[in-house]
Amino acid sequence: DAGITQSPRHKVTETGTPVTLRCHQTENHRYMYWYRQDPGHGLRLIHYSYGVKDTDKGEVSDGYSVSRSKTEDFLLTLESATSSQTSVYFCAISEPILSRPGEQFFGPGTRLTVL
Amino acid sequence: AQSVTQLDSQVPVFEEAPVELRCNYSSSVSVYLFWYVQYPNQGLQLLLKYLSGSTLVKGINGFEAEFNKSQTSFHLRKPSVHISDTAEYFCAVSANSGGYQKVTFGIGTKLQVIP
Repeated sequence: DAGITQSPRHKVTETGTPVTLRCHQTENHRYMYWYRQDPGHGLRLIHYSYGVKDTDKGEVSDGYSVSRSKTEDFLLTLESATSSQTSVYFCAISEPILSRPGEQFFGPGTRLTVL
Repeated sequence: AQSVTQLDSQVPVFEEAPVELRCNYSSSVSVYLFWYVQYPNQGLQLLLKYLSGSTLVKGINGFEAEFNKSQTSFHLRKPSVHISDTAEYFCAVSANSGGYQKVTFGIGTKLQVIP
């Protein structure tokens, strides 16, 4: 299994509070991603990173920011959490090699509840 | 632009019966195709992938899928399912977008194996 951990695994917070989720990898993969998973929507990309300090927006980036100061860590921050951000968040990694174009490896997920 | 359509949100099937999970995609460029499986409370795991060559690809746990370019489909099949196959299955398409392998996931199909 790819070495990807997410912390925390579960979090309950209140509307308006800041929340930071952490993804840590031991695979030295270049690309890292944050997705949210919601019933009826599958996985939707929030932000992704293609290197240290290099990030870009996905399809549902409003209300989220990210940072990547080290290859192994990718942080997702909800500046002011809202109930619509209640979801399961997955981190994924990939390395753009010929034998694995587009193939991603996923972390175990973080279940976030915003009350 | 690329998109993935999983035609069935839920598929109930009796144990030892065959199953087919349907996936259609659209893309203006050539693509790579994937099926991922998600067991309860876990992240996604790669089941199989089509990159090139033979249109019939075999994956883990006895699953296989066939790439049909003319019908833009990548249906997943298993000749005899087991209780342990109960999970959610995601079809995904990857295509080059400005040097980046953009991945789009379908909304998922829940396979329920009935004893």
